[in-house]
Amino acid sequence: DAKTTQPNSMESNEEEPVHLPCNHSTISGTDYIHWYRQLPSQGPEYVIHGLTSNVNNRMASLAIAEDRKSSTLILHRATLRDAAVYYCILRDRNTGTASKLTFGTGTRLQVTL
Amino acid sequence: NAGVMQNPRHLVRRRGQEARLRCSPMKGHSHVYWYRQLPEEGLKFMVYLQKENIIDESGMPKERFSAEFPKEGPSILRIQQVVRGDSAAYFCASSPMTRNSPLHFGNGTRLTVT
Repeated sequence: DAKTTQPNSMESNEEEPVHLPCNHSTISGTDYIHWYRQLPSQGPEYVIHGLTSNVNNRMASLAIAEDRKSSTLILHRATLRDAAVYYCILRDRNTGTASKLTFGTGTRLQVTL
Repeated sequence: NAGVMQNPRHLVRRRGQEARLRCSPMKGHSHVYWYRQLPEEGLKFMVYLQKENIIDESGMPKERFSAEFPKEGPSILRIQQVVRGDSAAYFCASSPMTRNSPLHFGNGTRLTVT
């Protein structure tokens, strides 16, 4: 599996935007970029995914670099409930549901008042 | 629309006993994945199953661990002769057959071996 690199931790103030970076310089042309997050004492939760174009949903936005070697998860207004570990994961679209997700260490986001 | 249900939420076993962890996937989902998370560590893939078939068990320890997903009923992760090192949170996820569908995770079973 192609590898992703994320900062170990980030801090944000409540109500402010948060930009969570992810580097994936060895990404292949068929890899989707997935983001999940894990709140304390809970299972991981799907956030968003994309291939080439930027994506928006009710939870977040995903900005993908033109060369696809990096991406940024954007939380538009962080709340205390967004404090979690955020995982950036590559998943080959050709294997789809036949492929597992490989979690790295993620970025621990702290949100303060 | 119920999510992925795992039970029990907490399980305590003495060394040498068996642990059975259950996972009911979301309605309409035919793919199940099991992950393990040791204290203060990341999630590690264990096994991926479809109904009555093991598709990928590359993350399963060779001994004492087994998984099944029968035609009827929940998926079961079974750990025989548990040891202290098996203490962890075990998460189950499910997805539909649709390619590239996200995984939906349960809230896990926390196994403590005393």
